[in-house]
Amino acid sequence: QVQLVESGGGVVQPGRSLRLSCAASGITFSSHGMHWVRQAPGKGLEWVAVIWHDGGNKYYAESVRGRCTISRDNSKNTLYLQMNSLRADDTAVYYCVREAQLGTYAFDIWGQGAVVTVSS
Amino acid sequence: QSALTQPPSASGSPGQSVTISCTGTSSDVGGYNYVSWYQQLPGKGPKLLIYEVSERPSGVPDRFSGSKSGDTASLTVSGLQAEDEADYYCGSYAGSNNWVFGGGTKLTVL
Repeated sequence: QVQLVESGGGVVQPGRSLRLSCAASGITFSSHGMHWVRQAPGKGLEWVAVIWHDGGNKYYAESVRGRCTISRDNSKNTLYLQMNSLRADDTAVYYCVREAQLGTYAFDIWGQGAVVTVSS
Repeated sequence: QSALTQPPSASGSPGQSVTISCTGTSSDVGGYNYVSWYQQLPGKGPKLLIYEVSERPSGVPDRFSGSKSGDTASLTVSGLQAEDEADYYCGSYAGSNNWVFGGGTKLTVL
């Protein structure tokens, strides 16, 4: 069964850190770029970060650059997002997303999402 | 990177066709043929409907079609069905390993 399952969400105080994980199953994890996309309550989608299939390159949205780190462990079929210096506007559902075949720049598999709430 | 512009809502009766627009700039929608569309049902993660402007993944009904003209992309849903009621998002590659999405359109089947 093809699925991405996020974990690690929760309620955290402003300025603190949180690490999200995403376990992949039923897919060739190591062959695809992986992304994090977030959705603030009642809002649209916002791209957060990408890591290439081999972990060799990582890129971030301006809104999280310098505060977030994306990483992956292909031996464990797991994607991570380390988030530091969290702010209220980081409150969102965070989706782990697989990039479709190379060169399509589209997202073909989405997780169910991890809820992150930043509040004092 | 600014979000792509979508109408907040759209509607149509069963059997009708409805088109949702997605306007960007020459740096994203207009600059690349990498526009995609997603359907999001309440409480669920998005589902890929269209990629590369007009390509459908296997399993997506041909009632869903995509097109692009200049800086504006469009998703057309033909033969509307009650199950099509959902939020729809466009997305585009924006160069330099950046992606941008639209604000979403809530489609109501009357």
